[in-house]
Amino acid sequence: DTAVSQTPKYLVTQMGNDKSIKCEQNLGHDTMYWYKQDSKKFLKIMFSYNNKELIINETVPNRFSPKSPDKAHLNLHINSLELGDSAVYFCASSQGALYNEQFFGPGTRLTVL
Amino acid sequence: SQELEQSPQSLIVQEGKNLTINCTSSKTLYGLYWYKQKYGEGLIFLMMLQKGGEEKSHEKITAKLDEKKQQSSLHITASQPSHAGIYLCGADPSGSNYKLTFGKGTLLTVNP
Repeated sequence: DTAVSQTPKYLVTQMGNDKSIKCEQNLGHDTMYWYKQDSKKFLKIMFSYNNKELIINETVPNRFSPKSPDKAHLNLHINSLELGDSAVYFCASSQGALYNEQFFGPGTRLTVL
Repeated sequence: SQELEQSPQSLIVQEGKNLTINCTSSKTLYGLYWYKQKYGEGLIFLMMLQKGGEEKSHEKITAKLDEKKQQSSLHITASQPSHAGIYLCGADPSGSNYKLTFGKGTLLTVNP
């Protein structure tokens, strides 16, 4: 009965590869997010989607492409992985806007070699 | 863009001691969120403060937002090892709640 789930939990890959991270929420929320937490634990928003539409894109390189097939899923595809992409990626969801709690997934630790 | 400064960056306390973590904004906060993160895990929501002067408590954790809505504090009373983790304050910079800006976190260690 996990609220926000992500797969995989760990991802180790070579530079230049393409990879995807999946996120699913079973809370019935209409808004989903991707955050990146770097090695210094700094957490930054990447994207947010509301009802499958992109709302926020925080100057993330074009190599990162989120896809929301339905309100319960927000996947993150990364092309041509670079060393600097190594981080923990968190998915989150909330119900609408304005002061609603965001529920976070457990994170995906991506390591690019 | 809104920046959130947290202090201290890290904190080591003896079990049973009280402690305070601060979060200061360069701009007025529309909403201030406190989250806790344990190593290798996601973020756990603690509290959200919205109004100037607001104070909320949950078990031994109390969070306050000052009247000007630019500073928040998180106070833990009689700390326990279970309180250990990274505490992050996050704020909604525009009132849309479509993104949160986070501080760099405070690493709390509680020694038994």
